[in-house]
Amino acid sequence: GESVGLHLPTLSVQEGDNSIINCAYSNSASDYFIWYKQESGKGPQFIIDIRSNMDKRQGQRVTVLLNKTVKHLSLQIAATQPGDSAVYFCAESPSSSNTGKLIFGQGTTLQVKP
Amino acid sequence: EPEVTQTPSHQVTQMGQEVILRCVPISNHLYFYWYRQILGQKVEFLVSFYNNEISEKSEIFDDQFSVERPDGSNFTLKIRSTKLEDSAMYFCASRGQNSPLHFGNGTRLTVT
Repeated sequence: GESVGLHLPTLSVQEGDNSIINCAYSNSASDYFIWYKQESGKGPQFIIDIRSNMDKRQGQRVTVLLNKTVKHLSLQIAATQPGDSAVYFCAESPSSSNTGKLIFGQGTTLQVKP
Repeated sequence: EPEVTQTPSHQVTQMGQEVILRCVPISNHLYFYWYRQILGQKVEFLVSFYNNEISEKSEIFDDQFSVERPDGSNFTLKIRSTKLEDSAMYFCASRGQNSPLHFGNGTRLTVT
């Protein structure tokens, strides 16, 4: 069945280093992907999204890379800060007409060491 | 920055009771959603709502669940007869025509 998963449950990085969080998806028909950050006690917070007609998109300190050949998605965070500590979820939309219907992965916990 | 707001933040109810979770989506958004997250698990889609009707729903969203947009600002999720396994965080979300999905901070539902 459909699944979206993350390679590592926990990622620990030093403040100032770059972080890379990976995600594998299984539905080759998905054409919209999105990353969320979830802090304790809060809802998922939008970080960045990308459509399948692109392979890279940049935001402020974040970059999402999409490799459709191997169905892999990654989130790169530059100069990681303590405030980046959270759980990060990738999600895919299997429906091109309803991009709010998302399938979430399990999440990767990012720990930033000072 | 506009945000999705949810009330209450925590709801405790007894098994078999009805609960209504409330949400105020972002004002110019047209598409509304409910998701849930059981403790320690991933976020799961429940239902999407557009133009005053359900557009899609998951297998979780059975006859015990219903949604309503009673006025121009509120969007509610009702669970008619709660079960222990309904205990979870319930997130409301909304989006515009070509914008990403934005989530509220959730209602923690505890069924005892």
